[in-house]
Amino acid sequence: GAVVSQHPSWVICKSGTSVKIECRSLDFQATTMFWYRQFPKQSLMLMATSNEGSKATYEQGVEKDKFLINHASLTLSTLTVTSAHPEDSSFYICSARGGGGERETGTGELFFGEGSRLTVL
Amino acid sequence: DQQVKQNSPSLSVQEGRISILNCDYTNSMFDYFLWYKKYPAEGPTFLISISSIKDKNEDGRFTVFLNKSAKHLSLHIVPSQPGDSAVYFCAASARLDMRFGAGTRLTVKP
Repeated sequence: GAVVSQHPSWVICKSGTSVKIECRSLDFQATTMFWYRQFPKQSLMLMATSNEGSKATYEQGVEKDKFLINHASLTLSTLTVTSAHPEDSSFYICSARGGGGERETGTGELFFGEGSRLTVL
Repeated sequence: DQQVKQNSPSLSVQEGRISILNCDYTNSMFDYFLWYKKYPAEGPTFLISISSIKDKNEDGRFTVFLNKSAKHLSLHIVPSQPGDSAVYFCAASARLDMRFGAGTRLTVKP
């Protein structure tokens, strides 16, 4: 099946630094990518939706200047946490969807990365 | 505003019995529904999906039922196995939007 690779899988950084997380679709072209954040014992929270070549659409309450999303190609989207603080520590997950109309096949529309654990000291 | 709700945070069943996980949604625009399984510190893994034009979809031990009038869907796992122990998220999609429930932690006891 389709593979989405997320890197790094875990990162520790100092407060005030910026961290970049990459999300790559390895064997398909992802026209749309999603970024989620998961808090402990809570659901996946959609942060933003990005379409290749255009600006990301951020969910209400998500700071676009804090969480920079770039979807420069059909196989790569990046999330940059700028000036990270301890409260930004979380598990970040990306997902990707191809351009085909596979919604009716029952095979699943989104493919998820492995997630990235960010710890800000 | 929780558009997708999983009211049971946890469920425990005996191996070999049926596991039933429930999910409710409020947005009538949702037209595609999915179930994901998630282990700690990993991304969710797709399990099964259903379009709003259907009321049942079966794949091996997993069956998803959709009741549009009640805005309710459920995931049945039978027979349940210890390896099924994980957190299960239901998700609802409308075009580019996708919302997740809070998850239900399933524990299957040997």
